[in-house]
Amino acid sequence: KAGVTQTPRYLIKTRGQQVTLSCSPISGHRSVSWYQQTPGQGLQFLFEYFSETQRNKGNFPGRFSGRQFSNSRSEMNVSTLELGDSALYLCASSLELGSGGVFFGPGTRLTVL
Amino acid sequence: TQLLEQSPQFLSIQEGENLTVYCNSSSVFSSLQWYRQEPGEGPVLLVTVVTGGEVKKLKRLTFQFGDARKDSSLHITAAQPGDTGLYLCAGAGSGGSNYKLTFGKGTLLTVNP
Repeated sequence: KAGVTQTPRYLIKTRGQQVTLSCSPISGHRSVSWYQQTPGQGLQFLFEYFSETQRNKGNFPGRFSGRQFSNSRSEMNVSTLELGDSALYLCASSLELGSGGVFFGPGTRLTVL
Repeated sequence: TQLLEQSPQFLSIQEGENLTVYCNSSSVFSSLQWYRQEPGEGPVLLVTVVTGGEVKKLKRLTFQFGDARKDSSLHITAAQPGDTGLYLCAGAGSGGSNYKLTFGKGTLLTVNP
């Protein structure tokens, strides 16, 4: 069974631009969550989607948004990029909402110049 | 806000030594998970502990959940260079709809041959 895939793996943008990241969960997994990882703050929860609906949201500004499609694939979008948005963005999937174990993708490394 | 503190933040040891990593919180978690992350990859789930006082063993790794479900430890016996990586603990909220994982900032372990 293929793991969680994320595209692109690396991305360089400039301040003010917007970016869309994509995540394909493990086949059969219906819950997708997104995390931001930085050296200073560690892993921070962005949001979780289940059945195309956002079920939980972390403490991030409205510039961070996401969605989930009927095939459980998910995208997250960051608008008006800031230097501080440079981070590793991780997507994780699990069978059901709130199930015990989540499986992470390799992440998208975003650099904002 | 539920916070998880991990210690030590950095650990560098020689092959064959034993080590313990700690994960502490003032909050009660319904479950606690341990992950290992290698450079350029997403975290990989090692174990989930659910019951207070629970002990789980995974080859040379021993995980313990505190009786009050507020803390956990990871003990590695006879560490190998392949154990090198970032060890993360993550707590899942108790009850309600708070299923998002709260991560500690991690312990970066280096095992020297």
